[in-house]
Amino acid sequence: AQKITQTQPGMFVQEKEAVTLDCTYDTSGPSYGLFWYKQPSSGEMIFLIYQGSYDQQNATEGRYSLNFQKARKSANLVISASQLGDSAMYFCAMREGWNNAGNMLTFGGGTRLMVKP
Amino acid sequence: DTEVTQTPKHLVMGMTNKKSLKCEQHMGHRAMYWYKQKAKKPPELMFVYSYEKLSINESVPSRFSPECPNSSLLNLHLHALQPEDSALYLCASSQGAAQETQCFGPGTRLLVL
Repeated sequence: AQKITQTQPGMFVQEKEAVTLDCTYDTSGPSYGLFWYKQPSSGEMIFLIYQGSYDQQNATEGRYSLNFQKARKSANLVISASQLGDSAMYFCAMREGWNNAGNMLTFGGGTRLMVKP
Repeated sequence: DTEVTQTPKHLVMGMTNKKSLKCEQHMGHRAMYWYKQKAKKPPELMFVYSYEKLSINESVPSRFSPECPNSSLLNLHLHALQPEDSALYLCASSQGAAQETQCFGPGTRLLVL
């Protein structure tokens, strides 16, 4: 079964408008972390925002915010005031548990966002 | 210095060649990772090194051989690869804190002929 599901393979948004990228996850443990990464065509994965399972408030980083609904197991990324440079692939990822041996990130299938001028 | 560097950026090799990918970070991170990413797919974890020791090997074929010479460097030695191994190879590192944000390098685009 998919642990991270991104149901929107591709999306268009008008420049300066807000857009929400969906992410649902599946885990049974109490301790986990959710991440969003941006991958432009150049290939580098750029960290955007993090939400811990025990965090009481939704995470925000500049124009990025994470709409965390724990009971629904969703962690949607909201980008406000879209810019042309936001055009990229966006991945939702989850870390389950924690140990000192390093951690495995499980990635969703990604959403390609295209910003229209 | 808050970045992960990878060399080379692009690599073309034949199936009988031996080559190496290199990754370096100077952030004092104690965990380093290799991922493989095929076109239009998410990254797939290959190996994890923690404190310079291999801690996770995701059943990767032996034609891929990782090496961690010191806490800042991570290599991936390639030998007798197949065309289906053509992909973007991403290196990442993380500090070892609970938040565990992984910082990624720009990747090496590998083409196996």
